[in-house]
Amino acid sequence: EAQVTQNPRYLITVTGKKLTVTCSQNMNHEYMSWYRQDPGLGLRQIYYSMNVEVTDKGDVPEGYKVSRKEKRNFPLILESPSPNQTSLYFCASSLLDPGADTQYFGPGTRLTVL
Amino acid sequence: SQQGEEDPQALSIQEGENATMNCSYKTSINNLQWYRQNSGRGLVHLILIRSNEREKHSGRLRVTLDTSKKSSSLLITASRAADTASYFCATRESGYNKLIFGAGTRLAVHP
Repeated sequence: EAQVTQNPRYLITVTGKKLTVTCSQNMNHEYMSWYRQDPGLGLRQIYYSMNVEVTDKGDVPEGYKVSRKEKRNFPLILESPSPNQTSLYFCASSLLDPGADTQYFGPGTRLTVL
Repeated sequence: SQQGEEDPQALSIQEGENATMNCSYKTSINNLQWYRQNSGRGLVHLILIRSNEREKHSGRLRVTLDTSKKSSSLLITASRAADTASYFCATRESGYNKLIFGAGTRLAVHP
């Protein structure tokens, strides 16, 4: 089944404790992206990747890191999480251009930083 | 910056009625997409309309695009309780590789 998977689905952590949220897609998609969703603010893009080893900042990259060493994986790293990073996170992928192709979304990761 | 903005923010209707949601955007675009999100879940793609198209249909969905007014509308006909969800428009500004989503319209369809 074609899908985007994220892990973990739920995470409660404390300020400053490094964490990684994994994202994997099995559709051989070039484009992958991370979003955060907050009430009243909709989805905001954190980082995106057009291909392996190619990443770029979205609208809210501060406090996050990403890497794209393999085509299928695009982990999101929070080196020193803070309470303002409490949010619902989504990974998404598309075959090519996100503006012209369907974006497939993962199920989401609900992160709470205490 | 927010490219797409939906209107209304929330909409409550009865089953069988039609639901119309609007989206406005700021800059020139190549395409506009609509997505649906059930509470707390990932978004699901509904339909894509290209900038040279004025109207597109998919089942009970009808999308229009007016590039002169920089606006789009999503019409769901004969709504069902299962249509209860949030609906988002998304655009990619010409020359950029980012997809920008609006804040969404929350639709509640009552049996």
